[in-house]
Amino acid sequence: QVQLVQSGAEVKNPGASVNVSCKASGYTFSSFGISWVRQAPGRGLEWLGWISPYNGNTKFARSLQGRLTLATDASTSTAYMELETLRSDDTALYYCARTDIFGVYFDPWGQGTLVTVSS
Amino acid sequence: EIVMTQSPATLSVSPGERATLSCRASQSVASSVAWYQQRPGQAPRLLIYGASTRATGIPARFTGSGSGTQFTLTINSLQSEDFAVYYCQQYSDWPPVTFGGGTRVDIK
Repeated sequence: QVQLVQSGAEVKNPGASVNVSCKASGYTFSSFGISWVRQAPGRGLEWLGWISPYNGNTKFARSLQGRLTLATDASTSTAYMELETLRSDDTALYYCARTDIFGVYFDPWGQGTLVTVSS
Repeated sequence: EIVMTQSPATLSVSPGERATLSCRASQSVASSVAWYQQRPGQAPRLLIYGASTRATGIPARFTGSGSGTQFTLTINSLQSEDFAVYYCQQYSDWPPVTFGGGTRVDIK
């Protein structure tokens, strides 16, 4: 079955960077995009960015542009997200999600990675 | 940026009854709307895409409708596992993809 498995929880100091991985299985990795979405505690969903594993094209939310880097490794069917210059309001559950080629909707989602930014 | 507004914020429904959730887009998004269910402590799950197409494995009691700026998710005969938060999302004009603020469906 299609599955996305994310790396474990992270605790970071303000100003640091965080890397989250998302390993895909059960489908042809290059045939679908990967998006990243976050959810602050008790809040709604915020789309962060999208990457095409096929050609490396990316799109980003304007609010994070410059701090967010997305990458993929086709040899391991893994997507990566790096967020730099962390602030306390970056504390959230970060999800990866497979993104359809015909429309930017998300199915399935990874289990989520909690990133806590605190001094 | 297209703003998605969901109403009501909270909906109290008795098991076995129908729930009707609304989502309004700030400009036309044609039929490029998806709906997600998020149970406590879980990742969101895709229910509906293309405004009205059920995702694989989604029960027939979930129905999506609408086009343009007004969309509805109807859940018939609510089951215990349906009490959750529901989000709409537009993907007509991106980036960015945008989500509504969510509707919590709880037990009356």
